[in-house]
Amino acid sequence: QVQLQESGPGLVKPSQTLPLTCTVSGGSFSSSNNYWSWIRQPAGNGLEWIGRINTRGSTNYNPSLKSRVTISVDTSKKQFSLKLNSVTAADTAVYYCARVGDSSGYGNAFDIWGQGTMVTVSS
Amino acid sequence: SYELTQPPSVSVSPGQTARITCSGDKLGDKYAYWYQQKPGQSPVVVIYQDSKRPSGIPERFSGSNSGNTATLTISGTQTMDEADYYCQAWDSSTGVFGTGTKVTVL
Repeated sequence: QVQLQESGPGLVKPSQTLPLTCTVSGGSFSSSNNYWSWIRQPAGNGLEWIGRINTRGSTNYNPSLKSRVTISVDTSKKQFSLKLNSVTAADTAVYYCARVGDSSGYGNAFDIWGQGTMVTVSS
Repeated sequence: SYELTQPPSVSVSPGQTARITCSGDKLGDKYAYWYQQKPGQSPVVVIYQDSKRPSGIPERFSGSNSGNTATLTISGTQTMDEADYYCQAWDSSTGVFGTGTKVTVL
């Protein structure tokens, strides 16, 4: 079955760029039915959708983060990536990658999630 | 921007029914999704497209969506259902999560 795994630095300095990658294994990555998303969750708080991309490179972003976010895809490696610029302490969170789409038959639900990776913004 | 509002907490006795609401402007015109998140774990979808249960989700989980409110109902709540629950919808290709509800079974 499809599995997602986030990777990247656990510590990023303020004002720098936060880079994360999600690697997809165990299934089809290039299905036109799927989008691949990033979601974050500050400690003790709720979920915040960051954005999504499909394998054709079409993206949608959260309007509140759009000016600082870039999501890209590398179909040859079955990976998609997040770059968040000009980070502050407010960007400290667990970052999840997730699949959304109808491959599982669950409509546009986030049906498969990575385990999440903690990123701390601190000097 | 579109917002989804949930009560911060719901308490329920074992075996009783828990109802969690999710409010948003004309939410009934969109599909609502519900996720369960236990401490230290990734969220899991428990309801999709308003009222459908994914494979493996117990029948005690049900959902509805009409007007401005979607509702997740847990019938015969069990201690294993204690978790945070989030509603979610899509607004013009933008994903939106609700504020989250902590369900306590006591």
